[in-house]
Amino acid sequence: KAGVTQTPRYLIKTRGQQVTLSCSPISGHRSVSWYQQTPGQGLQFLFEYFSETQRNKGNFPGRFSGRQFSNSRSEMNVSTLELGDSALYLCASSGSLGNIQYFGAGTRLSVL
Amino acid sequence: DQQVKQNSPSLSVQEGRISILNCDYTNSMFDYFLWYKKYPAEGPTFLISISSIKDKNEDGRFTVFLNKSAKHLSLHIVPSQPGDSAVYFCAATEINTNAGKSTFGDGTTLTVKP
Repeated sequence: KAGVTQTPRYLIKTRGQQVTLSCSPISGHRSVSWYQQTPGQGLQFLFEYFSETQRNKGNFPGRFSGRQFSNSRSEMNVSTLELGDSALYLCASSGSLGNIQYFGAGTRLSVL
Repeated sequence: DQQVKQNSPSLSVQEGRISILNCDYTNSMFDYFLWYKKYPAEGPTFLISISSIKDKNEDGRFTVFLNKSAKHLSLHIVPSQPGDSAVYFCAATEINTNAGKSTFGDGTTLTVKP
């Protein structure tokens, strides 16, 4: 069974630009969550999608948005990038035992 | 307000000895707790979990203990092996209402010396 796939793995953008990250969950998983990890910090919850609907949302500004498609693939968008958005963005999917999450390797975003 | 705290950023132990990683939480609504392990350039991987109705869960060399009254949990690794060297994250969730949302601690970097 293929794991969670995130693309791209690395991304360099400049301030003010926008970026879209992609996540393909494990086959059969309907829940996809996004987290931000900055150096020395834990994972900060961004949002979770389940069956194409946002089910949970963290405390991030509206510049951070996401969506989920009918095949459960998810995208995360960050508009008007700021230097502080430089981080590792992790996607996780979960199945019927929604409490255990399976993570992708992440997308490392650098904002210059 | 950080709801899940791992107060030790790092821990170093000798191979074969016990590693004890600690985690404290403040939100009494949390009812399911998990430990994840993360190697560099990889995403976190699930290690072990415990429901709030239990006080201990064991899986091979890994045991998690939960003290609900103290809002404290710990992960014991016995015996520790060099391959266990990684960052360990404690996470908590409300299983019935927010299963897809976990609150993570900042992580503890474990180094197991041969």
